[in-house]
This record gives sequence, C-alpha cells and structure tokens, in this order.
Amino acid sequence: DGGITQSPKYLFRKEGQNVTLSCEQNLNHDAMYWYRQDPGQGLRLIYYSQIVNDFQKGDIAEGYSVSREKKESFPLTVTSAQKNPTAFYLCASSIGGRGWGETQYFGPGTRLLVL
Amino acid sequence: KQEVTQIPAALSVPEGENLVLNCSFTDSAIYNLQWFRQDPGKGLTSLLLIQSSQREQTSGRLNASLDKSSGRSTLYIAASQPGDSATYLCAVSNPTGGGNKLTFGTGTQLKVEL
Repeated sequence: DGGITQSPKYLFRKEGQNVTLSCEQNLNHDAMYWYRQDPGQGLRLIYYSQIVNDFQKGDIAEGYSVSREKKESFPLTVTSAQKNPTAFYLCASSIGGRGWGETQYFGPGTRLLVL
Repeated sequence: KQEVTQIPAALSVPEGENLVLNCSFTDSAIYNLQWFRQDPGKGLTSLLLIQSSQREQTSGRLNASLDKSSGRSTLYIAASQPGDSATYLCAVSNPTGGGNKLTFGTGTQLKVEL
C-alpha cells in the first residue's frame, strides 16, 4: 500500500528535552511538509522540502528543525526552544517538481504532549 | 498575508438534508483551493481540488465551487449521511516564497444525525 506513515502516534516530552517525529512516504513524492494543528486554529506550516537535501522555513519554524537526507523521509525535531509544543503534528507530501496545483496527501498525525 | 475563513464553525443537520459549507479567502491570487475531511484524531483526506482556472469540481455527492474574484468557495453535500460527520477544512495555495504552500481555514465541524 502506498501512503504516508507517522510515528509514534503519541509522544511525551519532558522539559528541556528534544524529541523527533518520524514521517515516511512511499509515494515517490519529491515534496514533503510539516504542519502543526492546535484546537480552534487551522493547520500552520512549520517546514517544507521540495527536494532531497533542501528545505525551507514555514510560518512557525522557531523551535523546530528538520532534515531531508532521503526522498522518503522527513523527520521533525521539536527542540527545547519550542516553549509550547503540545499540539497535533501532521506530515504531508505532494508530487512536487511541477510547481503548483498539486494535491497534498497527509499522514495520520502524531500527538505531542508535555509531561 | 492570506487569511481563510470558514463559516459556520459547527453545523448539525438531520440525515438526508442537502447542505452547504462556506470558505472565503482574502487574497484572490491563488493557484488552487482544496477541500479536506478530518475525522477526530486523524489526518486529513483530500476531497476535491479546484484549480484557479476552474469553476467547480464534483465527486459523488460532493460538489465544490470556486469564485476566485470574490474570494469564495462552497462545498455542497447532497443527501447527507451520518458517515459524513467530520470536520471539513478548506485550504488555498498561494505562490509565496516557492513551493505548494497551503493556508488553511479553521474548519466546519459537521454532525449528521439519524
């Protein structure tokens, strides 16, 4: 089955700890995205990557970091600098490479909670 | 800066009713508009994508329209069913800074009752 997987489903972070959220896709998509969803707010873009070894900041990148060493993987690290990390994190991908107008496909999400 | 608004925030209807969800956006220079469905605690499922040059798209009981000049889109659901209960999100794609960046509305939470 082709799709996007995210792990873990739930993640608990202690004060001062960095945690990493996994996102893997087997759709052969070039572009990948990380969004944060808070209650009563729309999804907000954290980082996106249009191609391997390249990524750009989204609207709320502070306190987060990413890497894109492989086409199928786009892990997100929530650093200790992110003071309000409790949220639902969604990863998405799209075909990419053709500019605009592409459907984005989403993973099942990871819920991050602070202990 | 693009802003996307969805009205109403919540809607409850009896089964079988036809209904319309609304989405408005402030910057009409969009490439496309997408409607998504989100079930509680789950990811998003793409329902329909309308390119900026199109007026509407249909999939089964769903019909989405786009009026780019007025900054509005509607999602029409015919003969609603309890399985349609979910949050519906619209998102627009703008050519800002490169990449297929989406700006999302806050969603309409739909409940279809038996």
